[in-house]
Amino acid sequence: SAVISQKPSRDICQRGTSLTIQCQVDSQVTMMFWYRQQPGQSLTLIATANQGSEATYESGFVIDKFPISRPNLTFSTLTVSNMSPEDSSIYLCSVTGGGGTEAFFGQGTRLTVV
Amino acid sequence: QKEVEQNSGPLSVPEGAIASLNCTYSDRGSQSFFWYRQYSGKSPELIMFIYSNGDKEDGRFTAQLNKASQYVSLLIRDSQPSDSATYLCAAPGAGNNRKLIWGLGTSLAVNP
Repeated sequence: SAVISQKPSRDICQRGTSLTIQCQVDSQVTMMFWYRQQPGQSLTLIATANQGSEATYESGFVIDKFPISRPNLTFSTLTVSNMSPEDSSIYLCSVTGGGGTEAFFGQGTRLTVV
Repeated sequence: QKEVEQNSGPLSVPEGAIASLNCTYSDRGSQSFFWYRQYSGKSPELIMFIYSNGDKEDGRFTAQLNKASQYVSLLIRDSQPSDSATYLCAAPGAGNNRKLIWGLGTSLAVNP
């Protein structure tokens, strides 16, 4: 298993500002995944972050809005840029276990944009 | 496009009963499946995974996989109020990218 420390756990932000979410993993992992989960909804993958290359974004998500950094094999950040109330959601980072494809999650960041 | 489908519920069962959660998937080539539990306001946590046809038991939880019919289920025996949560079914996506395809989740309420 992997232990993921994600912060901040929650934040209330003004529209038009940006928030950077950090995830630290206790072991080296090739891929890290960033998800959004809106109230009452399932997980929506935003992007896959690989160390040493640009993140791969899913349909409907763009780098200008959700820039991602992956400076090493244990750390990644997701920035939510130029926020609007529609960005209010829970953001989760995730990694897959060493032996298989099961996913482990950080604690999540509950973002409210006002 | 691979899909994983679940009945969103809510599924309501009395305490002590068996809760049965179902998931169907579109890709016949899918080899593994995962059940996650998510309490309100918390992150999903893995509770079961299954690779082979048939049943896999872990305590009060049993995962059942039927590849011919393309469904996977989760049974919770002797349901407790603490089992009240949303249960998410997931399967690996295509290729080597280790993405998971997620169902929408089934909300379970266990009533004392």
